[in-house]
Amino acid sequence: DAGITQSPRHKVTETGTPVTLRCHQTENHRYMYWYRQDPGHGLRLIHYSYGVKDTDKGEVSDGYSVSRSKTEDFLLTLESATSSQTSVYFCAITRGADQPQHFGDGTRLSIL
Amino acid sequence: AQSVSQHNHHVILSEAASLELGCNYSYGGTVNLFWYVQYPGQHLQLLLKYFSGDPLVKGIKGFEAEFIKSKFSFNLRKPSVQWSDTAEYFCAVNANNAGNMLTFGGGTRLMVKP
Repeated sequence: DAGITQSPRHKVTETGTPVTLRCHQTENHRYMYWYRQDPGHGLRLIHYSYGVKDTDKGEVSDGYSVSRSKTEDFLLTLESATSSQTSVYFCAITRGADQPQHFGDGTRLSIL
Repeated sequence: AQSVSQHNHHVILSEAASLELGCNYSYGGTVNLFWYVQYPGQHLQLLLKYFSGDPLVKGIKGFEAEFIKSKFSFNLRKPSVQWSDTAEYFCAVNANNAGNMLTFGGGTRLMVKP
């Protein structure tokens, strides 16, 4: 399995609180992604990064921000969590467009 | 924007039955195509991929998929399913004008009865 670690694995928090999820990779891959998985929607891209300090928005970026200060770490932040952000969040990495993405084990986030 | 459709949301089969899961995409240019599998409680794992060449692609665990460009389809097949194939299956597309971004279908949940 690709060296991807997501933390925390589970989190329960309240509406309005800030939440940060971490994705750590040991593969030195350039590209990193954050997805959310919801029933019937498959995975939807939130934000992605194509290098240190280089990030861009995905399909469902509203309410989320990201940062990548080091190659190995990609952080996803919910500035003020809402119940609609209850989901399972997956991080993925890849070397490039001609390579498949490899996924972490996911973070189950519940916002009450 | 590109989109990916998986028409079968839930499929129930008995062991040894044949499987075909549909996947259609909307982008008309060059694409890279993927099937991922997610076993209960686990992360997504790559089953197979198509970038170019032979449109019939063989993957792990006896799965294969056929790229039919004229139909914008990339259907997944397996001649004889096993109980251990119970999982959710996702088709994903990377269009050549979308950088490294993948668009996923909504998934097909397969249950194989022993």
